Amino acid sequence: GAVVSQHPSRVICKSGTSVKIECRSLDFQATTMFWYRQFPKKSLMLMATSNEGSKATYEQGVEKDKFLINHASLTLSTLTVTSAHPEDSSFYICSARMAGGTFNEKLFFGSGTQLSVL
Amino acid sequence: GENVEQHPSTLSVQEGDSAVIKCTYSDSASNYFPWYKQELGKGPQLIIDIRSNVGEKKDQRIAVTLNKTAKHFSLHITETQPEDSAVYFCAASPLSGYSTLTFGKGTMLLVSP
Repeated sequence: GAVVSQHPSRVICKSGTSVKIECRSLDFQATTMFWYRQFPKKSLMLMATSNEGSKATYEQGVEKDKFLINHASLTLSTLTVTSAHPEDSSFYICSARMAGGTFNEKLFFGSGTQLSVL
Repeated sequence: GENVEQHPSTLSVQEGDSAVIKCTYSDSASNYFPWYKQELGKGPQLIIDIRSNVGEKKDQRIAVTLNKTAKHFSLHITETQPEDSAVYFCAASPLSGYSTLTFGKGTMLLVSP
């Protein structure tokens, strides 16, 4: 089946630093990728939708200058948490929609990134 | 927008028993209902999905049923095994268009040997 690779799986950083998380579709092209945040024992909260070659669409309440998203190719999207603070600590998950599929079918998730900001 | 309610939040069963997780949705425009399994520290994995033009779909020990009139859908796992222990999320969305998936809050399933 389709594989979405997300790296790193875990990152610990100091407050004030920036962290980049990569999401790659390994064996398919993804016109759209999604970024979610998940708190312990909670559901997935959509942060933003990124379409290849265009600016990401952020959900209400998500700071676009804080969470920079780049979707430069059909197989790669990146999320950069800028000037991270302890409250940004969370589990971040990406998903990719296979090009050519009907809209919400063919949606595959990465394995997540646990971010801990000290 | 869409609102998805999921119950129960936790479910404990003995190995071999059946498990049922129920979800309701609010938007009659939703016509695609996937179920995801999430193991600790991992991303969600699609286990089964159903479109609104069918009432039931089966895949080995897993089945999903949909009642469009009542706007609810359920996940049924038979002959549960310890490796079925995980958090299960239901979701709903229109199949096409620009709406994203709306997830339920999740059900932690624990299967005891």
